[in-house]
Amino acid sequence: DAKTTQPNSMESNEEEPVHLPCNHSTISGTDYIHWYRQLPSQGPEYVIHGLTSNVNNRMASLAIAEDRKSSTLILHRATLRDAAVYYCILRRGIQGAQKLVFGQGTRLTINP
Amino acid sequence: DAGVIQSPRHEVTEMGQEVTLRCKPISGHNSLFWYRQTMMRGLELLIYFNNNVPIDDSGMPEDRFSAKMPNASFSTLKIQPSEPRDSAVYFCASSSQGLTNEKLFFGSGTQLSVL
Repeated sequence: DAKTTQPNSMESNEEEPVHLPCNHSTISGTDYIHWYRQLPSQGPEYVIHGLTSNVNNRMASLAIAEDRKSSTLILHRATLRDAAVYYCILRRGIQGAQKLVFGQGTRLTINP
Repeated sequence: DAGVIQSPRHEVTEMGQEVTLRCKPISGHNSLFWYRQTMMRGLELLIYFNNNVPIDDSGMPEDRFSAKMPNASFSTLKIQPSEPRDSAVYFCASSSQGLTNEKLFFGSGTQLSVL
């Protein structure tokens, strides 16, 4: 399975945008890029996913590089509730049910 | 929708005892995933099912662990005999068909402590 590389930790301020990077240089053409986050003492929570084009939803935006070897999760206006571990995951885009394998993620701290 | 329901929320047991963790996926979901989380190893995928059939159990640590899905609305993860190193948070997740472009919904987890 192709691997992702994320910074161990990042820090930002409340009400400012946050850009969380992810490198996936060995991504294959059919791999989807998924982002999940895990708030303290909770199970992981889906954030967003994409294949080639940039994606937006109510939680965040996903910017995917043209060569797909990196992506960035964008939180447009961070709140204290966004403090969590964020996981960037590649999921194989082949037929049938596919596993979702977590890496170590980025621990995001939001300062008031 | 009640979401993915796991029970118990907390389990404390003694080494050597049998432990059974339970999971009820979201109604209508056909794929179910079991994960284990520890500080040292992070989130590990143990096994996943599709249409009640195990697809990949390569993450199951050893023969002491077993998982079943007797029907579409219930799954169990059993540890027999339990050991202190099994102490972790165990999460269950479900998705519609388990396809690559679907999202997983996670339960609140079971905190297992083996003394």
